[in-house]
Amino acid sequence: ETGVTQTPRHLVMGMTNKKSLKCEQHLGHNAMYWYKQSAKKPLELMFVYSLEERVENNSVPSRFSPECPNSSHLFLHLHTLQPEDSALYLCASSPTSGFAGELFFGEGSRLTVL
Amino acid sequence: KNQVEQSPQSLIILEGKNCTLQCNYTVSPFSNLRWYKQDTGRGPVSLTIMTFSENTKSNGRYTATLDADTKQSSLHITASQLSDSASYICVVSESGGSYIPTFGRGTSLIVHP
Repeated sequence: ETGVTQTPRHLVMGMTNKKSLKCEQHLGHNAMYWYKQSAKKPLELMFVYSLEERVENNSVPSRFSPECPNSSHLFLHLHTLQPEDSALYLCASSPTSGFAGELFFGEGSRLTVL
Repeated sequence: KNQVEQSPQSLIILEGKNCTLQCNYTVSPFSNLRWYKQDTGRGPVSLTIMTFSENTKSNGRYTATLDADTKQSSLHITASQLSDSASYICVVSESGGSYIPTFGRGTSLIVHP
C-alpha cells in the first residue's frame, strides 16, 4: 500500500460520457497533484492543490475539472474527452507545497477514451 | 527551457549483471535530483534524492551519482534482479519559486533470467 489510493484503476469511456477519478491520501500531506503520463512522454503536471487551494493549472483543457474538497481527497472530473486523452493519470501528494518535498504517487488510473 | 534527457531509452540485461543509466539536465537554478522506479502498471516510487552538495547516494543495490558542474547524473544498479525490470525516471527540481520538477522520459530496463 502506497499511502495514496486511486480509483478506479481502469476506466473506459466514450467521448460523450462524464466520469470522475478519485484520489485519497492517508499520509497527512498538505499538497496534492494530478499528473498525466502518456506513452514515451515525460510526466505532465496538470494541477496542484495546496491546503485545498488550487495553486497551479498547467494549461489543461477545460474538459478536465479538478476538485479538492479537503486535504485528503482529490478528484478529476472528466467530460467530452478526446481519444488523445487516453493515458495513465497519476495522483501524488507531498508534505508541503512547492515540490521541495518528495512526491508520493498513487498506482494510477488507466483511462481509455473511445 | 528546463529539460531532462535520459539514456538509453531502453536496456536489456541478464540477471546478475550491473548496469548504469544516464541523466543529463539543463534545469537551473538547481535544487535537487531524484531517481524514481516505476513498475509496469504502478506509480513511481522514489529511490534517491541528491542536492547540490551531494555527489553519491546509495539505496541498497542502487547508487546514484551527481556532477552538478556538468549537470549529469547516473544510476548504477549492481547485481541486477528480475524485480529490477521497470522504468527509471530522473526528476530535477529548480530552486526558488515553486520548485516545479522536470521529468525525464525514463529508461525502460528489462532483466532477463
